[in-house]
Amino acid sequence: QKEVEQNSGPLSVPEGAIASLNCTYSDRGSQSFFWYRQYSGKSPELIMSIYSNGDKEDGRFTAQLNKASQYVSLLIRDSQPSDSATYLCAVEFMDSSYKLIFGSGTRLLVRP
Amino acid sequence: GAVVSQHPSWVICKSGTSVKIECRSLDFQATTMFWYRQFPKQSLMLMATSNEGSKATYEQGVEKDKFLINHASLTLSTLTVTSAHPEDSSFYICSARGGLPSTDTQYFGPGTRLTVL
Repeated sequence: QKEVEQNSGPLSVPEGAIASLNCTYSDRGSQSFFWYRQYSGKSPELIMSIYSNGDKEDGRFTAQLNKASQYVSLLIRDSQPSDSATYLCAVEFMDSSYKLIFGSGTRLLVRP
Repeated sequence: GAVVSQHPSWVICKSGTSVKIECRSLDFQATTMFWYRQFPKQSLMLMATSNEGSKATYEQGVEKDKFLINHASLTLSTLTVTSAHPEDSSFYICSARGGLPSTDTQYFGPGTRLTVL
């Protein structure tokens, strides 16, 4: 059973702080990892994708991947109240076709 | 790029009726489309995967005769919930894979909220 684990939160941080979101996965064969943001009542939107060990930065977002530890994280610098949402970690694996397994999501609250 | 639309955005129907939801990739040809269901405060659960011109592959526990999927072209997939019941009320979201800027990324439609009375 392939699994993706996330702390459900809520993770509460003050405005301007760094928010750190973590995710672990069970399938060692996975090669593609994604972070999606989902606002209440809306569908997920892609924040970051990462495929290689190390860090990948895009604006205020940094994704980190450690395949040996089966660990993915997302850092949000200078957090804003508009960042308050649920962040979904997704791991791609190959079945009959490429599929995503989603974690349960971490709810982030950025306090003004 | 990589815009996915869904129609309708919400629908209310009576128990026993059928509801069709459309998913379109507007600016790219999707090699694969996916249908998810999300209940309140839960994560997305994959229902089925479909490739253009092929039969959909359903996840374990998803009734293929109840959730009919047609993938008629590289830009259109439809999900029909047949004989809907209140327990089918949920947020249905499609995604499409194969578009730029990242051809291996799933891009999501805005979702369809189904309420069965």
